Amino acid sequence: QVQLVESGGGLVKPGGSLRLSCAASGFTFSDYYMSWIRQAPGKGLEWVSYISSSGSTIYYADSVKGRFTISRDNAKNSLYLQMNSLRAEDTAVYYCARGAASPNYWGQGTLVTVSS
Amino acid sequence: EIVMTQSPATLSVSPGERATLSCRASQSVSSNLAWYQQKPGQAPRLLIYGASTRATGIPARFSGSGSGTEFTLTISSLQSEDFAVYYCQQYNNWLYSFGQGTKLEIK
Repeated sequence: QVQLVESGGGLVKPGGSLRLSCAASGFTFSDYYMSWIRQAPGKGLEWVSYISSSGSTIYYADSVKGRFTISRDNAKNSLYLQMNSLRAEDTAVYYCARGAASPNYWGQGTLVTVSS
Repeated sequence: EIVMTQSPATLSVSPGERATLSCRASQSVSSNLAWYQQKPGQAPRLLIYGASTRATGIPARFSGSGSGTEFTLTISSLQSEDFAVYYCQQYNNWLYSFGQGTKLEIK
């Protein structure tokens, strides 16, 4: 069965960095676009970024452009999100999701808290 | 950026009754519209894509309709497990965007 397991979240100070990972299993990872979507505590959903199956096409939300970098390693069935220059407003649960347009599988999320 | 607006913010319905949730886009998104269900502490679950196509494993009591800027999610006979928050989402243009959600609560 399809599984997406995020890791790497935690508490970080403003201006700090974190790298999120998403381990995928149960499907041919290299065939699928992948996305990162976040949800601030008690708030709605916000698309952060997506990456094509080969990694050649990438989109970012304006709110993270220039600070976050999405990448993937198809040999390791893994998706990544490098987050730099973190701000308080980046505090959220970050979900890894399979697909770009309307993801049909989501991980359980990893919480990122940006606070001094 | 396309703004998605959902109404109402909260909908109170009795089990067994029909629920109708609305979603409006600030500009046409054609049929590039999805609906998700989210329960507390869980990831969102895809219900509908292409405005009206049920995702795999989604019960037939869930149906979607609309195109352009006006969309509706209908749950024909509410079950206890259907009380949750529902989000619409457009994928016609990047930046893909979600509505603010409709909380469906037990009346």
